[in-house]
Amino acid sequence: SQTIHQWPATLVQPVGSPLSLECTVEGTSNPNLYWYRQAAGRGLQLLFYSVGIGQISSEVPQNLSASRPQDRQFILSSKKLLLSDSGFYLCAWSWMNTEAFFGQGTRLTVV
Amino acid sequence: DQQVKQNSPSLSVQEGRISILNCDYTNSMFDYFLWYKKYPAEGPTFLISISSIKDKNEDGRFTVFLNKSAKHLSLHIVPSQPGDSAVYFCAASANSGTYKYIFGTGTRLKVLA
Repeated sequence: SQTIHQWPATLVQPVGSPLSLECTVEGTSNPNLYWYRQAAGRGLQLLFYSVGIGQISSEVPQNLSASRPQDRQFILSSKKLLLSDSGFYLCAWSWMNTEAFFGQGTRLTVV
Repeated sequence: DQQVKQNSPSLSVQEGRISILNCDYTNSMFDYFLWYKKYPAEGPTFLISISSIKDKNEDGRFTVFLNKSAKHLSLHIVPSQPGDSAVYFCAASANSGTYKYIFGTGTRLKVLA
């Protein structure tokens, strides 16, 4: 069966510090991978998605970037965090045009 | 531009009654629709989906209805249970090869015992 791992679960970072969130998927090959963010009281905003290694599509211009160095690994990064980057970050995977499955999320607080 | 809208931020229903959650979309290219349930500090859990070639899909207590002409879908939960209390998100995608899922803002359902 397929599983998705996302870490860390919580993170408190100072403004201006770098960020690296990692997500890995097991039990499937060539998944579509996604990063979403849920800001306080908001819906799920699609940040990045990837249909293959090295293929990243950005949905929202912002202070974040994403990379897919391996087939089942998706990384969300920032060089310098802003207060507005605080939120609940979710990684997800899907295969073809079926439902997406989400990780448990990372609560990021920028102070 | 909010392509998927859930205009009711919250809904309260008595246990045993029907819960109806609504969702509207604007992009006519969307052809696959999904509902997710989310508890605080957890990732969303997939509930049920429907393709645009259908107008109804049922799975146990959950039924999703799609009205393509109105660009509207709804999730019915019958009977509602206290454990159904959560935030429900609808999502949509277009089978254009990109497989992007666009989510609504969510509706918080509270089932009263």
